[in-house]
Amino acid sequence: DAKTTQPPSMDCAEGRAANLPCNHSTISGNEYVYWYRQIHSQGPQYIIHGLKNNETNEMASLIITEDRKSSTLILPHATLRDTAVYYCIAAYSGGGADGLTFGKGTHLIIQP
Amino acid sequence: DSGVTQTPKHLITATGQRVTLRCSPRSGDLSVYWYQQSLDQGLQFLIQYYNGEERAKGNILERFSAQQFPDLHSELNLSSLELGDSALYFCASSPLTGGSGNTIYFGEGSWLTVV
Repeated sequence: DAKTTQPPSMDCAEGRAANLPCNHSTISGNEYVYWYRQIHSQGPQYIIHGLKNNETNEMASLIITEDRKSSTLILPHATLRDTAVYYCIAAYSGGGADGLTFGKGTHLIIQP
Repeated sequence: DSGVTQTPKHLITATGQRVTLRCSPRSGDLSVYWYQQSLDQGLQFLIQYYNGEERAKGNILERFSAQQFPDLHSELNLSSLELGDSALYFCASSPLTGGSGNTIYFGEGSWLTVV
């Protein structure tokens, strides 16, 4: 799996959009970008994933650059409950083979 | 609620003992994964089973073993426990073992404290 680089922490005001960056400059053509979050020792929660195109679901949007070397997770209207550690993961085979390799992630703190 | 069920939620046991953690995957999921999360190591992949067969091994100690049963539930057995085995153990499941439609969902974990 390609290595990903994320800032260790970020702040965002409640109600604003939270934009979490991730660099994956060595990503291979068939590696997906996955985002998970973990709220205070709860189980990691799947957010979104994508290969080349931008993706959106009810939780977030994923913007992948054309060269696929970086991506941004966007939480459109952050709430206090979005405070968590966010993990960006590059994985083959839809994340099924050998599980997922979690780094240290970004600790996102939503400020009231 | 991810649909992945883990029991027990909390467990305290003594060094040298053996424990079994149980996982029921989401309905229809054939793959089960086990992860360990300790304070100093982060989330570590231990092992994966697919439809009853071992598919991948990560950083799993020889004192640990797992299996997946015909009804697809899985158990993680931890033996000769040491203080350093104290951690959160997560089970996760997915429909497949790979492919574009595959997504892994995690349970809420089992807290193991070894005293």
